[in-house]
Amino acid sequence: KQEVTQIPAALSVPEGENLVLNCSFTDSAIYNLQWFRQDPGKGLTSLLLIQSSQREQTSGRLNASLDKSSGRSTLYIAASQPGDSATYLCAVRPMDSNYQLIWGAGTKLIIKP
Amino acid sequence: DAGVIQSPRHEVTEMGQEVTLRCKPISGHNSLFWYRQTMMRGLELLIYFNNNVPIDDSGMPEDRFSAKMPNASFSTLKIQPSEPRDSAVYFCASYRQGEGAEAFFGQGTRLTVV
Repeated sequence: KQEVTQIPAALSVPEGENLVLNCSFTDSAIYNLQWFRQDPGKGLTSLLLIQSSQREQTSGRLNASLDKSSGRSTLYIAASQPGDSATYLCAVRPMDSNYQLIWGAGTKLIIKP
Repeated sequence: DAGVIQSPRHEVTEMGQEVTLRCKPISGHNSLFWYRQTMMRGLELLIYFNNNVPIDDSGMPEDRFSAKMPNASFSTLKIQPSEPRDSAVYFCASYRQGEGAEAFFGQGTRLTVV
């Protein structure tokens, strides 16, 4: 059974720092992996989608990598800003049920001005 | 595109009343999910539709919950009768199967049952 873990559960860093959020999964047979952010009281915003055949995706200051063999994905945020403060969730779509999204519990990120 | 549109954004109702949540998926998307989010249990999949057909409703908590998708541009989630433990944020999400399968979420409906 696929399980997704995000560590740490919370992270607080000063503005301007580069940071990495981690997502690990137990079964490498995945269709894709998607990173979302959720602001308090808001919906989930899709940040990056990585297909199983891809190693990384980039959007602006965000870069997501995928290493299926080790069951890991990282979300790299460059030059962090207070507006990046949110909860970041990763979700895996397993091969054996390609509509299901298996969710991590999220990392709550606070960027201090 | 305006994205996935949910209504209402907030709903406060009394226990025992019927509640209907609405969702308009992104045009051209053929897959739709209803999720529920609580602090205790995180995101829970309630039901999944593909091409307007319910494929997996194993997450629907009990018979008080029902969902329909009469056409490709509209879905409803109904709770009847509502109970305080149904209080949560309900999200609708859609994607186009086979083209990257990137899921997009609505802003959610915050339901409070008193």
